[in-house]
Order: sequence, then structure tokens, then C-alpha cells
Amino acid sequence: DAKTTQPPSMDCAEGRAANLPCNHSTISGNEYVYWYRQIHSQGPQYIIHGLKNNETNEMASLIITEDRKSSTLILPHATLRDTAVYYCIVRVATWRNFGNEKLTFGTGTRLTIIP
Amino acid sequence: SQTIHQWPATLVQPVGSPLSLECTVEGTSNPNLYWYRQAAGRGLQLLFYSVGIGQISSEVPQNLSASRPQDRQFILSSKKLLLSDSGFYLCAWTGQAAGELFFGEGSRLTVL
Repeated sequence: DAKTTQPPSMDCAEGRAANLPCNHSTISGNEYVYWYRQIHSQGPQYIIHGLKNNETNEMASLIITEDRKSSTLILPHATLRDTAVYYCIVRVATWRNFGNEKLTFGTGTRLTIIP
Repeated sequence: SQTIHQWPATLVQPVGSPLSLECTVEGTSNPNLYWYRQAAGRGLQLLFYSVGIGQISSEVPQNLSASRPQDRQFILSSKKLLLSDSGFYLCAWTGQAAGELFFGEGSRLTVL
């Protein structure tokens, strides 16, 4: 699976949009971008994933560049509860490896929402 | 809806003692189940995964073992704990979308 690079930490004011970048310059054509977050002392929580089109759900938006070498997770109106470590993961998502989830989480970006 | 539970939440054990962490999933059948470990300040390391009863795959050689005696039950064990076994242990199962993992609350193990 492709390696990802994220800034170690970021701050964002409460109520503003939080934009978390991720570089995955060696991504392959069949690899998806996944985002998870981990609030302190809890298990990681799935946020969103995408292949090449921008995606949006009730939690966040995922913007993937046209060359797919980087992406940005957007939390549109950050709250204090969004303070967490955010992980960007790139992996192949096919039925062939469905039962072998070797998701490598790395160290992620520690996002702090400031009141 | 599907839920996943782990216990105990916190455990302090002496070196050389046995370990048993339990994980159960509700609201789904034949899930793929996983055990991860997170050392302090580090990412998650996949330890074991299981695609069915009695089927266990180990990712890294270690002092731990896993078992799946029932469809929705996954157990992590050790006969003799080492100091290096300390960490945050997470059980997870896969949802319908490949790559979408749902995690339990975690079990924090401290080996003294």
C-alpha cells in the first residue's frame, strides 16, 4: 500500500472549517484514500473514503486532486468534539483482499480545535 | 444496528501472568474480525485477523495468540505476558464497504 504523509499537528478555531492535508504521491490507480480519526483513548472511527471523485457525507468532505497525489479532508464547521488524531490511509479495496485488512495507520495529524 | 464490545477496558498485570481479552460483535453474522495493538505515541499494528470460526491469521510473531470459538467472538490471549506487551488493544470488524473498519472501545493493558 502507498505511503502517506501528513503534518503532525494542526490547530483550528471552533466553528471554522478544518482542512487536513495528506500527500500520497506514489498512489496507484486502484488504491483508495481512507480517512479515520481517533479521539483520545478510543478506537479509530471511519470518516470517509474515495477513489478519484470528491466525496461528502454527514461528517466530512474529501477532496482528491486530479492527479490523485494528494487529498484534503474538510470538516466544514469544526467543534471541540472534533479534536482528535486524523489518519489518512491509502490502500487497494478489492474483494480479493477484503479479509486481509492490513490497514497501516501511521501517526496521523493531531487536530486541536480551539474555543 | 451492529455493535462491538471489548473487555476489560483496563488491565494491569504482572510480567509472566496470563492474559485474556474478549471481543464480541452484535447485529451481524460471519464478520471479519481483527486485533490491533497501539503502542504509546505510535500507529496501529495489525496482530491477528479472522474470516471465520477457528480461522486465525497472524501478522507478526509475538507472545500473543488469538482464537475465534464462536462466529461473533474473538479472544486475544497470552500464557506469559512481557513488558513489551503493554499497549492499547483494539478489536475491529469490517463493514460492507471494503476498508471500512469498525473498532471497539479498546482495552488498555499495562504490564508491570
